[in-house]
Amino acid sequence: GAGVSQSPSNKVTEKGKDVELRCDPISGHTALYWYRQRLGQGLEFLIYFQGNSAPDKSGLPSDRFSAERTGGSVSTLTIQRTQQEDSAVYLCASSLNLGQGQETQYFGPGTRLLVL
Amino acid sequence: DAKTTQPNSMESNEEEPVHLPCNHSTISGTDYIHWYRQLPSQGPEYVIHGLTSNVNNRMASLAIAEDRKSSTLILHRATLRDAAVYYCILRDPSGGSNYKLTFGKGTLLTVNP
Repeated sequence: GAGVSQSPSNKVTEKGKDVELRCDPISGHTALYWYRQRLGQGLEFLIYFQGNSAPDKSGLPSDRFSAERTGGSVSTLTIQRTQQEDSAVYLCASSLNLGQGQETQYFGPGTRLLVL
Repeated sequence: DAKTTQPNSMESNEEEPVHLPCNHSTISGTDYIHWYRQLPSQGPEYVIHGLTSNVNNRMASLAIAEDRKSSTLILHRATLRDAAVYYCILRDPSGGSNYKLTFGKGTLLTVNP
């Protein structure tokens, strides 16, 4: 079946511009995650959506970052007034949220963001 | 999540078995052992997980020590496509905000043709 998809796959923008990154999770997955991965680094948690619950935004690095999930499916991560340190791969994942011990996350291919 | 320790790198030849070790001496009785991998320029990919018994799926096998302080991911016949960084992590089902995945440095597996 279809996996997690993300768009665009690559985005080059100028410092100060806003960008929108999109994630389409696996159909039926109630949990959706955004992570950031800088070159050669590990995963950095950004935000978590679960059903109709309030999202966990504790990983968002600044108020320039926001995300929403419409209709419990598609999610958009928005970065306003981009800075060069925002350059990274932004990864989206989804899961069935079966219980946190056994829950497995399925990742999209990521959006490679380069801020010039 | 409790800490895991993996070798920085390992090398294998194509079509040979690969045994990737992971030590987790501080594992709690309820922690699940998960393995993910990340191929070059791709997002992480779930491989397998288990609690106490050995597990098999189409990708790999997971052998868990009787005391659960270590585990081994087994790729039965390595292919070039298996070249990736492999991450062993522990997942605590007790709730809280432990849905956040955190990877250590993992093991970089090189597969030689």
